[in-house]
Amino acid sequence: EADIYQTPRYLVIGTGKKITLECSQTMGHDKMYWYQQDPGMELHLIHYSYGVNSTEKGDLSSESTVSRIRTEHFPLTLESARPSHTSQYLCASSRHKDRGARPQHFGDGTRLSIL
Amino acid sequence: AQKVTQAQTEISVVEKEDVTLDCVYETRDTTYYLFWYKQPPSGELVFLIRRNSFDEQNEISGRYSWNFQKSTSSFNFTITASQVVDSAVYFCALSEAIVSGYSTLTFGKGTMLLVSP
Repeated sequence: EADIYQTPRYLVIGTGKKITLECSQTMGHDKMYWYQQDPGMELHLIHYSYGVNSTEKGDLSSESTVSRIRTEHFPLTLESARPSHTSQYLCASSRHKDRGARPQHFGDGTRLSIL
Repeated sequence: AQKVTQAQTEISVVEKEDVTLDCVYETRDTTYYLFWYKQPPSGELVFLIRRNSFDEQNEISGRYSWNFQKSTSSFNFTITASQVVDSAVYFCALSEAIVSGYSTLTFGKGTMLLVSP
């Protein structure tokens, strides 16, 4: 069973605020990911990491930033939130060193609403 | 470049009906993996199945079954005797082999399944 946690679950906040979305996993997975999901359901990869001190931008350009200082922790930060950042953000992790593409395990998501 | 197409945006069925969700993929690689995920209204994505490109055997898990056909680049998902709890968005995804391992997942746009009593 996957153990990946996202906080907060819901966040409503005003424009211009700095926001950090937390994501932690207890499975020792090397790979971690952030997705943005728009109301039309489509999932967009915005950041990923293959390990500590490794971060890459995903397919969708995002004004957010990420860091990977510890294996289990992959926070996402918005320096100045805007209404266009309103979305659901999903964090995921997977093993890297096994053979084959491993399934990603997802957190419950953070529903972010910027007023 | 890899691509996943789920042509059905939304499907509505009545409980106990069988329903098939279509997934068509594009890849230039011969080594790849296909996945299905379920996203219930609560929001988290739940992993359902992984299939590699060398294994074309169909799979059945309870009321769920998957039909993988390389000849048509399809990986369709069938729910038999659907239930209200099957209502969710279902995503098909693809990962290709790359030099450093496997690529990040490319997701389809999802199919929303509504099962009414």
